[in-house]
Amino acid sequence: EAEVAQSPRYKITEKSQAVAFWCDPISGHATLYWYRQILGQGPELLVQFQDESVVDDSQLPKDRFSAERLKGVDSTLKIQPAELGDSAMYLCASSLFAGPNEQFFGPGTRLTVL
Amino acid sequence: AQRVTQPEKLLSVFKGAPVELKCNYSYSGSPELFWYVQYSRQRLQLLLRHISRESIKGFTADLNKGETSFHLKKPFAQEEDSAMYYCALYKDGNDMRFGAGTRLTVKP
Repeated sequence: EAEVAQSPRYKITEKSQAVAFWCDPISGHATLYWYRQILGQGPELLVQFQDESVVDDSQLPKDRFSAERLKGVDSTLKIQPAELGDSAMYLCASSLFAGPNEQFFGPGTRLTVL
Repeated sequence: AQRVTQPEKLLSVFKGAPVELKCNYSYSGSPELFWYVQYSRQRLQLLLRHISRESIKGFTADLNKGETSFHLKKPFAQEEDSAMYYCALYKDGNDMRFGAGTRLTVKP
């Protein structure tokens, strides 16, 4: 069964360092989402792609976060420099189309910033 | 702004007892509501959505626009229902908002 893949599963870094997360959505899914989930809270959307285009990045802290999906398939989320408050689970999800459709989630990357 | 509130962070019931996980929302538009579930060591996954009006794993959820609620119910809880449950609201313009979640524990 096709699944969303993410790597790494865990990342420990020191503040001011750069980190990058990778996501490979389910084949054929046009829409890709990056969420941040702080402990004790629900997932919060950071950025949404439709194919290779960003359709919503209103919650992405653009001074330090960047995201790309160059060929409209896999995606990378980068943080530079990392701050203590960035410690969280970063989830990737994909869906066939944008809109109120089922989103399929990856296992997430747990980031710890020391 | 739209908001999803799950008032209970923790909910514990005994096996065979009814269970209701509460979800309230605030949104001025026409809501599309979902319940997602995360079992231990598994991914977050869709449980059900209000538009499909299905019963999944014995769970149902009814959209009450008057009370702006979308509570999740099951008449007889099972131990395998123990999980984290998230209510989510889709907002026009491609934005899915999740509640903070309720951890359900079903005791034997």
